[in-house]
Amino acid sequence: ETGVTQSPTHLIKTRGQQVTLRCSSQSGHNTVSWYQQALGQGPQFIFQYYREEENGRGNFPPRFSGLQFPNYSSELNVNALELDDSALYLCASSLVGGSGETQYFGPGTRLLVL
Amino acid sequence: GESVGLHLPTLSVQEGDNSIINCAYSNSASDYFIWYKQESGKGPQFIIDIRSNMDKRQGQRVTVLLNKTVKHLSLQIAATQPGDSAVYFCAEPGGGADGLTFGKGTHLIIQP
Repeated sequence: ETGVTQSPTHLIKTRGQQVTLRCSSQSGHNTVSWYQQALGQGPQFIFQYYREEENGRGNFPPRFSGLQFPNYSSELNVNALELDDSALYLCASSLVGGSGETQYFGPGTRLLVL
Repeated sequence: GESVGLHLPTLSVQEGDNSIINCAYSNSASDYFIWYKQESGKGPQFIIDIRSNMDKRQGQRVTVLLNKTVKHLSLQIAATQPGDSAVYFCAEPGGGADGLTFGKGTHLIIQP
């Protein structure tokens, strides 16, 4: 196990609702990255947080937003949920910002949008 | 489009045989590659990584080979066990803080 934890494990929402997912990074890691993984696909990078600021973003609309707290834990918020937002949401922590450091993943939150 | 891709979506091997999972990348400037294993219902698990100044790196029962000339990466698993059954992803940094770029994955199936 990596020490990265996520909550909740599963979630069901309806279209148009808002959702907040949570992640606690591995001890000693100050960077958190979020990914979306659709069924049968590889994870897609959403954004990264380093020192409480967004440090890079993938090709996701502004309704995907996040926060990082002083203890390096993080939240992913998704507004105005769409059916296509149904996926496994993964958070990964690393020692420093950037993408050249090994990222360790949590177990994910499975989101179903009806 | 994705810069990292896999040759085969499914690989079936006999228990005890060696497994080889291949990956192609398109960005010749990539300097770091990672292999992840993802079991059903779990997050990706780091297996091994390699930097571009190396051709080969070995771990416990796993070896990663990097051929920069043809932009090809492979993961070799020795003496495949039932617990090796999973989807394997290669990944590379997107550059800066752009996160990792993953391929679609290879599903490794172990036959008894």
